Amino acid sequence: QKEVEQDPGPLSVPEGAIVSLNCTYSNSAFQYFMWYRQYSRKGPELLMYTYSSGNKEDGRFTAQVDKSSKYISLFIRDSQPSDSATYLCAMRPGRRALTFGSGTRLQVQP
Amino acid sequence: GAVVSQHPSWVICKSGTSVKIECRSLDFQATTMFWYRQFPKQSLMLMATSNEGSKATYEQGVEKDKFLINHASLTLSTLTVTSAHPEDSSFYICSALGTSDHTDTQYFGPGTRLTVL
Repeated sequence: QKEVEQDPGPLSVPEGAIVSLNCTYSNSAFQYFMWYRQYSRKGPELLMYTYSSGNKEDGRFTAQVDKSSKYISLFIRDSQPSDSATYLCAMRPGRRALTFGSGTRLQVQP
Repeated sequence: GAVVSQHPSWVICKSGTSVKIECRSLDFQATTMFWYRQFPKQSLMLMATSNEGSKATYEQGVEKDKFLINHASLTLSTLTVTSAHPEDSSFYICSALGTSDHTDTQYFGPGTRLTVL
């Protein structure tokens, strides 16, 4: 079993839809949770960062962490074609390397 | 946000040659840098953790004599792929962990695409 599980997709939605992306994990030591967006042939770009459980909102993006369920989510409101990319969840126990999910490919249709 | 650069952005080399990839944190100091490798349509896999002034820590299955890492300053880490072979062709990405304002966040470079012929 992988430490971090993420549905690879692809996920196709119409423009303006609300997108829900999720990851589950097994390591209870994870404390820092991130969502990265990666366009083809580019490095990952940090979208959201949360520490421990709770919600965080930034513009059209909302990140949720439920440590009791070992489940994290990223919601994208009013999705745009420019949101089409691979979304990677990532997490770590402390000041250490990240463990990544496999990434979910998102396609927003105009 | 913090900026991390990588050079070169892409490189093509012959089998048996060595290739050096640089990773720089441009506007912050990074005591720790990480090197990842990503194959097509796969996620990032950690290769090694590099701490400034000390030897890198390699993940299981990564040959330290093949992938030489040097972290000589708080803003620069290098990865040298020695005697590269076609199976080393991949997308190599570094990330940097800050020391002060960015202590909890890793920022990634744009990646280096290596093709070994």
